[in-house]
Amino acid sequence: DAKTTQPPSMDCAEGRAANLPCNHSTISGNEYVYWYRQIHSQGPQYIIHGLKNNETNEMASLIITEDRKSSTLILPHATLRDTAVYYCIVRVAGLTGTASKLTFGTGTRLQVTL
Amino acid sequence: SAVISQKPSRDICQRGTSLTIQCQVDSQVTMMFWYRQQPGQSLTLIATANQGSEATYESGFVIDKFPISRPNLTFSTLTVSNMSPEDSSIYLCSVEDNRDWTQYFGPGTRLLVL
Repeated sequence: DAKTTQPPSMDCAEGRAANLPCNHSTISGNEYVYWYRQIHSQGPQYIIHGLKNNETNEMASLIITEDRKSSTLILPHATLRDTAVYYCIVRVAGLTGTASKLTFGTGTRLQVTL
Repeated sequence: SAVISQKPSRDICQRGTSLTIQCQVDSQVTMMFWYRQQPGQSLTLIATANQGSEATYESGFVIDKFPISRPNLTFSTLTVSNMSPEDSSIYLCSVEDNRDWTQYFGPGTRLLVL
């Protein structure tokens, strides 16, 4: 799986949009970009994933650049409950075996403040 | 998304003993995974468990230390054998949804070895 680079920490004011960047310059054509978050040592929570088109769900939006070398996760109206470590992961989806594994980096610690 | 439960949620164990962690999912899944998260660290994959075959272990993890069972498509166990304080971690089970290949995580088992 391709390596990702994320800033170690970010702050965001409650009610504002949180924009979390991720670089994945060595991503392959069949690798998806996945985002998870982990709130205070709970199990990681799936947020969103995409291949090359922008994606939106009830939690967040994912913007992937045209060359696919970077992406941004957007939490449109951050709340205190969004304080967590956010992980950007690239992986090949749709395969069985070890190719399906998730390789976690150190992520971005997002602190949402009043 | 799949709903995953783990038992126990936490435990305190004496060194030299073994603990078996159970992972139950509410739907049939092909791929199940076991991760470890040491204090202050990110997640590390221990092994991949497919029903009807031997688990596949990642580098640095061996079957004698972390035996895994996968008796059916909704259940798996991980045993932490002959524990030492270095085994104090959060152990997490995840499953790959057969429909969209997204991985979902259980709540984790917090283990403290004295």
